Amino acid sequence: AQTVTQSQPEMSVQEAETVTLSCTYDTSESDYYLFWYKQPPSRQMILVIRQEAYKQQNATENRFSVNFQKAAKSFSLKISDSQLGDAAMYFCAYRWDTGNQFYFGTGTSLTVIP
Amino acid sequence: DAMVIQNPRYQVTQFGKPVTLSCSQTLNHNVMYWYQQKSSQAPKLLFHYYDKDFNNEADTPDNFQSRRPNTSFCFLDIRSPGLGDAAMYLCATKTGNNEKLFFGSGTQLSVL
Repeated sequence: AQTVTQSQPEMSVQEAETVTLSCTYDTSESDYYLFWYKQPPSRQMILVIRQEAYKQQNATENRFSVNFQKAAKSFSLKISDSQLGDAAMYFCAYRWDTGNQFYFGTGTSLTVIP
Repeated sequence: DAMVIQNPRYQVTQFGKPVTLSCSQTLNHNVMYWYQQKSSQAPKLLFHYYDKDFNNEADTPDNFQSRRPNTSFCFLDIRSPGLGDAAMYLCATKTGNNEKLFFGSGTQLSVL
């Protein structure tokens, strides 16, 4: 079974600073996708960034980047120049290559301090 | 503009009284999901459809069932809601060849 673990229930960051959210996962698959989703108070889930396991290069999307360590099964999210609008719950998610099921971690609540 | 629509936003039901939650999509995506999310917890996958093929997660209670009469609509039926079924229920979609997941805004279910 695939499991996704987020060990930081809560994190805080000063506005304009950088913060890193951690995620580890367990799988026996070699091909899969990893995602970070943001869930603001509205509860709408928003895709932040995704990473294909077969790609060694870390994905980046503007201020968001990941550190993907396949051997360690680690997938952390770095948010640079944090903004007040980044405050939300962040979920790490996994999907294996030939499946349709997405599995989520327990989330990290990020607070941005003005 | 809305792509994945869940109605109602809030649903109140009584203990043991069947309730149906609905989800519709304008994206023509062939995969649809139902997730249950309790407060401060991860969204938990209940089931998903690939076209008309239904896939149940092994630990989804028998109390939960789903219907997908066509591509656009998907329903979640809770036959006899218990207090423990109070949660946010999220519908999501994706296309078969794209890994991006589109979520609705959810239905918050209360059981009295």
